Amino acid sequence: AQTVTQSQPEMSVQEAETVTLSCTYDTSESDYYLFWYKQPPSRQMILVIRQEAYKQQNATENRFSVNFQKAAKSFSLKISDSQLGDAAMYFCAYRSDFGNEKLTFGTGTRLTIIP
Amino acid sequence: GAGVSQSPSNKVTEKGKDVELRCDPISGHTALYWYRQSLGQGLEFLIYFQGNSAPDKSGLPSDRFSAERTGGSVSTLTIQRTQQEDSAVYLCASSPQAGGTTDTQYFGPGTRLTVL
Repeated sequence: AQTVTQSQPEMSVQEAETVTLSCTYDTSESDYYLFWYKQPPSRQMILVIRQEAYKQQNATENRFSVNFQKAAKSFSLKISDSQLGDAAMYFCAYRSDFGNEKLTFGTGTRLTIIP
Repeated sequence: GAGVSQSPSNKVTEKGKDVELRCDPISGHTALYWYRQSLGQGLEFLIYFQGNSAPDKSGLPSDRFSAERTGGSVSTLTIQRTQQEDSAVYLCASSPQAGGTTDTQYFGPGTRLTVL
């Protein structure tokens, strides 16, 4: 079974600075997808960024980018120019590409933005 | 267009009562998922629907939990004889199809269930 580990329960960053959230995972599969979701106090999970394992290029979405290290099974999220609206719980998630459709989530990192 | 909606937003019930939680997926999405988010357990998968059938029910924690989907759209998660450990936020997600590059799951706001 796949597992996802987020070793930072809480992180904080000054507004406008850069922060990196860590995620590692364990799998024996070669094809899979990785995701970062954001959950603000409203509870709704919002997709931040996704990465296909077969792609070597790291995904980017505006101020959000990932550092995907397949051999190390590491998938960190970098948030540049942090904004107050970035404050939320961030979850890393794994999905197999072999018919097992569920997402397996890490335990989350609570990000605080310091004005 | 409209996102995934769930009702009720909050539900308080007494131990032993049955509850029904509803999920309206994004129109046209064929895949639908239920997850549970509880303190100390993180987010855990419950059940997955493709159309009206449920190929994967492996996450349902006991036979008190059941779910159905009708018309390839609305889904209902039913918990019978609720227990205090059922208290959690129940999240629903849908995706255009299961698998492949269009498989991104879009989540609803969840239902917070409190069992007294």
